[in-house]
Amino acid sequence: NAGVMQNPRHLVRRRGQEARLRCSPMKGHSHVYWYRQLPEEGLKFMVYLQKENIIDESGMPKERFSAEFPKEGPSILRIQQVVRGDSAAYFCASSGEATGNTIYFGEGSWLTVV
Amino acid sequence: QKEVEQDPGPLSVPEGAIVSLNCTYSNSAFQYFMWYRQYSRKGPELLMYTYSSGNKEDGRFTAQVDKSSKYISLFIRDSQPSDSATYLCAMGNAGNNRKLIWGLGTSLAVNP
Repeated sequence: NAGVMQNPRHLVRRRGQEARLRCSPMKGHSHVYWYRQLPEEGLKFMVYLQKENIIDESGMPKERFSAEFPKEGPSILRIQQVVRGDSAAYFCASSGEATGNTIYFGEGSWLTVV
Repeated sequence: QKEVEQDPGPLSVPEGAIVSLNCTYSNSAFQYFMWYRQYSRKGPELLMYTYSSGNKEDGRFTAQVDKSSKYISLFIRDSQPSDSATYLCAMGNAGNNRKLIWGLGTSLAVNP
């Protein structure tokens, strides 16, 4: 499968637990983006990463949220001490030098905090 | 005022109709414009990409950009029930770390 792979697709966490969302970019892509989608707010940019570097994290909440894209392995979006307001769809997207400004999305991870 | 405005709909049309979807924006620095289609519980799928002003056609889809009016459109000809989805516009400018600004999406239903 050559697409952007996200897992888990669905995740249920109790308040105060940690959520880890994983993303493997499309083959050949070295840029990864995380977006959050809420029903009334649309897609919101969170963070842009390249291998081992955070390029732009201007959309990340200041606390509890972190992201990484290690040299080996998938990108991880980590949410510590989840609260009900973190319930949302989290989308990963990737791009490569050949794709220019266009980004390609995964199927998303749906986080539910109970 | 939001940077990108998009009427959320819902828009309901009969099969075969021509559909017009639109977004307006306020930032004159935007240089590239995209339309994505999103089915329920799925990720957005790129439909059209346009750089600067002008028209672009791909099959039943035509994208138009009018930078002077800060207005972009997506036209769908001979609409099909399989076109029923949410359509999102997105735009950005060079040097902004590829950060796209998104409309809220327009929900479209094409009725057989």
